[in-house]
Amino acid sequence: GAVVSQHPSWVICKSGTSVKIECRSLDFQATTMFWYRQFPKQSLMLMATSNEGSKATYEQGVEKDKFLINHASLTLSTLTVTSAHPEDSSFYICSAREVSGGYEQYFGPGTRLTVT
Amino acid sequence: RKEVEQDPGPFNVPEGATVAFNCTYSNSASQSFFWYRQDCRKEPKLLMSVYSSGNEDGSFTAQLNRASQYISLLIRDSKLSDSATYLCVVHTTGNQFYFGTGTSLTVIP
Repeated sequence: GAVVSQHPSWVICKSGTSVKIECRSLDFQATTMFWYRQFPKQSLMLMATSNEGSKATYEQGVEKDKFLINHASLTLSTLTVTSAHPEDSSFYICSAREVSGGYEQYFGPGTRLTVT
Repeated sequence: RKEVEQDPGPFNVPEGATVAFNCTYSNSASQSFFWYRQDCRKEPKLLMSVYSSGNEDGSFTAQLNRASQYISLLIRDSKLSDSATYLCVVHTTGNQFYFGTGTSLTVIP
């Protein structure tokens, strides 16, 4: 149980284009989903917290107009990196908390984004 | 001061050894505590929650010390497959999650 999927698992895009990453909870409903970014050999950095049906809460320093988050249902959240630049290249990971669960987070397998 | 601090290591231990990691947290109102394991270029996976009374899962033992504000993870009889980065995660009131930077463990044959 508690499986989270992400799509795509890796993507290469050109500078200036937008990329959408999907995060799905496959066997549970998630009121809250989290989006993280991780650079090589560094720790996870929380970008934003999204709650179903409401606007995402962004961490300090994360541009909400650049990283668009939509949490339209209890099983799906999307992160769109708009006008991507090479410095946006990173490992993006989502996680989800069960509606009826504790505070454990279950992570998706991550999306490796490379912007050329 | 960081919300959660971990010794990054690396810890290099021989197979079969016992190794312990600590993680300190600064918010005394922290409610829930977890240990996650992250393999290279993979997502973190929940290893175990940490309960006030301490808990054990196979060769892993987790403990919480609220007075001193730290959690610990003990790995007994370490195996090669235990090599990974171990992350502590603290959940506070206000629904905030804080991750440690991770402790790198390599078990050597």
